[in-house]
Amino acid sequence: DAGVTQSPTHLIKTRGQQVTLRCSPKSGHDTVSWYQQALGQGPQFIFQYYEEEERQRGNFPDRFSGHQFPNYSSELNVNALLLGDSALYLCASSLRAYFPTSTDTQYFGPGTRLTVL
Amino acid sequence: LAKTTQPISMDSYEGQEVNITCSHNNIATNDYITWYQQFPSQGPRFIIQGYKTKVTNEVASLFIPADRKSSTLSLPRVSLSDTAVYYCLVGVLFTGGGNKLTFGTGTQLKVEL
Repeated sequence: DAGVTQSPTHLIKTRGQQVTLRCSPKSGHDTVSWYQQALGQGPQFIFQYYEEEERQRGNFPDRFSGHQFPNYSSELNVNALLLGDSALYLCASSLRAYFPTSTDTQYFGPGTRLTVL
Repeated sequence: LAKTTQPISMDSYEGQEVNITCSHNNIATNDYITWYQQFPSQGPRFIIQGYKTKVTNEVASLFIPADRKSSTLSLPRVSLSDTAVYYCLVGVLFTGGGNKLTFGTGTQLKVEL
């Protein structure tokens, strides 16, 4: 049973460029969340997708956008890259949960290390 | 959103039991508590999750008092490979579906011989 996979592993871009990161969820999961983790910090929630729509969003500018495909895989797009966008980008998948009958567990992928020069 | 507070770092020795306590004073009814482990340059790894009382799995135990304003992760007989950052977080489950995790800065656990 494959876990969460992300591609690419590493990426180097220059300021002003655009980047697309990809994520395949764990088998059986329908929800994908994206996080940004700067060096020495905890992951910060960017947004969550299920049923191909953005459902929850953290405090990130519109330069960060995403997409979810019918097979539940997802992309994270970042436009007009800034130096401060350099970070580990994590994708997590889960099965949509509804309180109080169920809770979820988010499983994380290995991440994509983005360096902006 | 419930904010979590946990020690920045802890030191232990192999074979000891480690308890990491996390404070989440403004936890709400819909919130649940999850702990993750993270090694450098890797994604967080799920350890344990609970809503109230005590939860135990093959890796750890999670103790949650009745008021749910804190929780304690207990790692029995740690080894060098348990050296990692441990995150306590409160996940918000929305009644309409979906969830949101808020990470803090975590606790850096260092295990020595």
